[in-house]
Amino acid sequence: GAVVSQHPSRVICKSGTSVKIECRSLDFQATTMFWYRQFPKQSLMLMATSNEGSKATYEQGVEKDKFLINHASLTLSTLTVTSAHPEDSSFYICSASPTGLAGGPWEQYFGPGTRLTVT
Amino acid sequence: AQSVSQHNHHVILSEAASLELGCNYSYGGTVNLFWYVQYPGQHLQLLLKYFSGDPLVKGIKGFEAEFIKSKFSFNLRKPSVQWSDTAEYFCAAFTSGTYKYIFGTGTRLKVLA
Repeated sequence: GAVVSQHPSRVICKSGTSVKIECRSLDFQATTMFWYRQFPKQSLMLMATSNEGSKATYEQGVEKDKFLINHASLTLSTLTVTSAHPEDSSFYICSASPTGLAGGPWEQYFGPGTRLTVT
Repeated sequence: AQSVSQHNHHVILSEAASLELGCNYSYGGTVNLFWYVQYPGQHLQLLLKYFSGDPLVKGIKGFEAEFIKSKFSFNLRKPSVQWSDTAEYFCAAFTSGTYKYIFGTGTRLKVLA
């Protein structure tokens, strides 16, 4: 149980275009989802926290107009990288926290990640 | 600032060797500590966690970790590794104040058959 999927797994886009990444909780509902970014040889950095039906909370230094997050349902959150540039190339990972927090706020299930390359 | 550091970026071991991966955290308040594993091409999975109580915690697949408060450490150990343990291991802290994960940079473990 507790599976999170991401789509696509890899995407290559041209500079200036936008790309959308989907994060789905397949067998549970998630009121809260998280988006992380991982640079090579660096740790996962939390970008934003999204709650279903409300605006996402962005971490300091993350441009909310560039990284648009939508959490329209209890099983789907999307991250749109707008006007992508090569420096946005990275590995993006989402996680989902089951509704009801049976285990506590730490309980997050991670997706397999999306490799974004901007040329 | 809150941080988690992992000392070893790459570790190569032969099967049956013992493993210890270092992890230190920097946080003055209550912190919960975790080890996650990411097998090639797969998602992060929880290996074990420490909240309170017995500082020696046992996780899945024969892994254990010891919380040493005086050293701000939470090292991961396994007495005898297998080829299937080849993966990247992340130490993480979850702080009660911010309800956020802070991850270390990860350690890539390669186990030679």
